Amino acid sequence: AQRVTQPEKLLSVFKGAPVELKCNYSYSGSPELFWYVQYSRQRLQLLLRHISRESIKGFTADLNKGETSFHLKKPFAQEEDSAMYYCALMGGGSNYKLTFGKGTLLTVNP
Amino acid sequence: EAGVAQSPRYKIIEKRQSVAFWCNPISGHATLYWYQQILGQGPKLLIQFQNNGVVDDSQLPKDRFSAERLKGVDSTLKIQPAKLEDSAVYLCASSPRTGRGYTFGSGTRLTVV
Repeated sequence: AQRVTQPEKLLSVFKGAPVELKCNYSYSGSPELFWYVQYSRQRLQLLLRHISRESIKGFTADLNKGETSFHLKKPFAQEEDSAMYYCALMGGGSNYKLTFGKGTLLTVNP
Repeated sequence: EAGVAQSPRYKIIEKRQSVAFWCNPISGHATLYWYQQILGQGPKLLIQFQNNGVVDDSQLPKDRFSAERLKGVDSTLKIQPAKLEDSAVYLCASSPRTGRGYTFGSGTRLTVV
């Protein structure tokens, strides 16, 4: 079974502070991991995926298979980063189903 | 490139009534998904189509929910009869055959009263 856990429902930081949104997963094979973001009144959109190993809007995430984690990090948070963040897992095979965590609401205060 | 289109944006119905949602995926995307997002939770897959065939409907409450994808393009999701616990945002997404390039629509917010 696939499972994604985001332990923090809410996370509040000040502008310029580092931010880390935690994500742990459970999957027996080699999954693909993603971070999705939903800004206020906008649709869900892909932020980054572990395969591409890129930094988007200053965010990075490293897949740690030993700890089964895929935490999202940014060294200096900006007010425009305030949004709902979802970690998601896609299992192997031809079923491209995404399993989402419950999400973390990030608020960056001025 | 046009995105995934969904309608209506909002719907309020009474319990035991019926409701239908429509989705038009990105042109050329073979795979279409319907997700249910209940307040405070992440999206949950209800059904996945590959062209016009069902790949996964294991989490679809088939006694009241149905979906179809005629001609492998547009899709409709129906609830009949609706229950209070069906209040949620219903998201449609599409992707090319390989699962890359997942794109979500804006969703339909359903309130059952």
